[in-house]
Amino acid sequence: DTAVSQTPKYLVTQMGNDKSIKCEQNLGHDTMYWYKQDSKKFLKIMFSYNNKELIINETVPNRFSPKSPDKAHLNLHINSLELGDSAVYFCASSQAGVNEQFFGPGTRLTVL
Amino acid sequence: KQEVTQIPAALSVPEGENLVLNCSFTDSAIYNLQWFRQDPGKGLTSLLLIQSSQREQTSGRLNASLDKSSGRSTLYIAASQPGDSATYLCAVKSQGGSEKLVFGKGTKLTVNP
Repeated sequence: DTAVSQTPKYLVTQMGNDKSIKCEQNLGHDTMYWYKQDSKKFLKIMFSYNNKELIINETVPNRFSPKSPDKAHLNLHINSLELGDSAVYFCASSQAGVNEQFFGPGTRLTVL
Repeated sequence: KQEVTQIPAALSVPEGENLVLNCSFTDSAIYNLQWFRQDPGKGLTSLLLIQSSQREQTSGRLNASLDKSSGRSTLYIAASQPGDSATYLCAVKSQGGSEKLVFGKGTKLTVNP
């Protein structure tokens, strides 16, 4: 049973395109996150939502727009993709008060 | 601004050896600290979570300690096995309401048979 799932696992696209990555968690958690892991393997927070409300928005270009239709889903839409957006994007979730974060398998985005 | 450092960046040991991975953080006002394991091309697996009020946590052959005042945590792996080969990441959640984790760059562990 997958706790945090992401689709797609791999995404290869051309510069300038718009793409979306989907994330779902079945843990009943109220907080979800997007992290970016760059080519040097460094993981950094991008966004966090609690009960569908944005609570963290790091310094991320506004080409990136997260959307949380309900507390079990957090999607990431990226407009006008650039070469530097190539990375692995991880979704995670946690329950407030417990705070242990659980990660999805990642989406490897390659922009050509 | 919280910064997390992990030393060494890479470690290679023979099977059966006990080993220690180190993590240090600059701001001691933390809420908790979490150790993860990442296998190549895979996501992160949570290993241990230590709350700020705790000194250590144990799971099987793994033991994580926390010394908040000195800004340090260690992950002790007993009787290492080739299957322990992975990158180990330390992440800190600071006090102050922010839900984000700040990660170190990881220690890549190789256990040789």
